[in-house]
Amino acid sequence: NAGVTQTPKFRILKIGQSMTLQCTQDMNHNYMYWYRQDPGMGLKLIYYSVGAGITDKGEVPNGYNVSRSTTEDFPLRLELAAPSQTSVYFCASSPGGKSYTFGSGTRLTVV
Amino acid sequence: KNQVEQSPQSLIILEGKNCTLQCNYTVSPFSNLRWYKQDTGRGPVSLTIMTFSENTKSNGRYTATLDADTKQSSLHITASQLSDSASYICVVSEGNAGNMLTFGGGTRLMVKP
Repeated sequence: NAGVTQTPKFRILKIGQSMTLQCTQDMNHNYMYWYRQDPGMGLKLIYYSVGAGITDKGEVPNGYNVSRSTTEDFPLRLELAAPSQTSVYFCASSPGGKSYTFGSGTRLTVV
Repeated sequence: KNQVEQSPQSLIILEGKNCTLQCNYTVSPFSNLRWYKQDTGRGPVSLTIMTFSENTKSNGRYTATLDADTKQSSLHITASQLSDSASYICVVSEGNAGNMLTFGGGTRLMVKP
């Protein structure tokens, strides 16, 4: 099993560009999450989903959008990249309850 | 507001020595507390998970304690190894349907030979 797979691993964007961060899990988990991690700070929840077709905002959703058309995929969309979105992004999944599995992250720089 | 505070922010120890990392939280309602290890450039990996009724949990050389009354937890690392160099993150799960997690800022541990 691959677990949670994120692509790309690194990306540099120019201000105003858009991109999609991909996240796929093969564990049939209902819950999926997107977090961002800034240096020295705890992970902040951007968006989450409790199942296909259901998404909800987390603590820091502004500037991002998500969709959950299948159980496996939970892409994160940045429409107009801003320098404040420079961060490391982690996708995670959970069957609900204690167990969480994190991807290896996407390091995004907006210049 | 739910918060998780960790101390120290960073720590340097010599290989073979023990160390203890601290975590204080104000998350309510409380469901469980986790300690994660995050290697540089990688996602967090779970070390221990403790519920309200558990006050200690071990995973090899890692031992976590929980005092739910004072809302404090610690992670003790015994006989440190170079591979223990990483960030250690305390995470508290809310007792709600979304199982929301509140992350601490982490303690960056460096083990030197």
